[in-house]
Amino acid sequence: GENVEQHPSTLSVQEGDSAVIKCTYSDSASNYFPWYKQELGKGPQLIIDIRSNVGEKKDQRIAVTLNKTAKHFSLHITETQPEDSAVYFCAASWSNYQLIWGAGTKLIIKP
Amino acid sequence: ETGVTQTPRHLVMGMTNKKSLKCEQHLGHNAMYWYKQSAKKPLELMFVYNFKEQTENNSVPSRFSPECPNSSHLFLHLHTLQPEDSALYLCASSQDPSGGVYEQFFGPGTRLTVL
Repeated sequence: GENVEQHPSTLSVQEGDSAVIKCTYSDSASNYFPWYKQELGKGPQLIIDIRSNVGEKKDQRIAVTLNKTAKHFSLHITETQPEDSAVYFCAASWSNYQLIWGAGTKLIIKP
Repeated sequence: ETGVTQTPRHLVMGMTNKKSLKCEQHLGHNAMYWYKQSAKKPLELMFVYNFKEQTENNSVPSRFSPECPNSSHLFLHLHTLQPEDSALYLCASSQDPSGGVYEQFFGPGTRLTVL
């Protein structure tokens, strides 16, 4: 079936450094790729998304890149801050009703 | 209340109990979702309702029974659960997905423990 692989499962970076999380997807028909952030005790929240007709999208300190040929997409966070500590999930969608999710990356920002 | 709310936040039940999870969205959305979240695993979509009609049922065991009386409320009725059903159950809502993929707004979840 369709699946999304996400790496790494845990990422620890020094405050102020950059963090990169990578995902690969299996279904070439996927056309929507969101990233969600889940803080402790809360549900996931969308932080950025990209559609298949775009290669890169930025929003302040976060950016997402998409390589359709290789079927992978990445989340980039620059100038990391303590409040960036959370679990990040990537997902891919080929159907309006279904998102296929990665297993999550726990991002730890060291002071 | 704003956003998506879920009650209870925590639930402990025995395998022979019957309980229900409740979700309410205050966003004016038409679609609602139930997800199961287990540690270090991808979110598993269980059910999708759009305009109160069930549009997706991802091979969920019959011991989980959803109910959507209107576009603002979603229930998950639980009966004869197994210990492996222990997880965080998340509810989400979105705009009508038949017109495209939209952002899903999640509640804080119900932490379920089955003894």
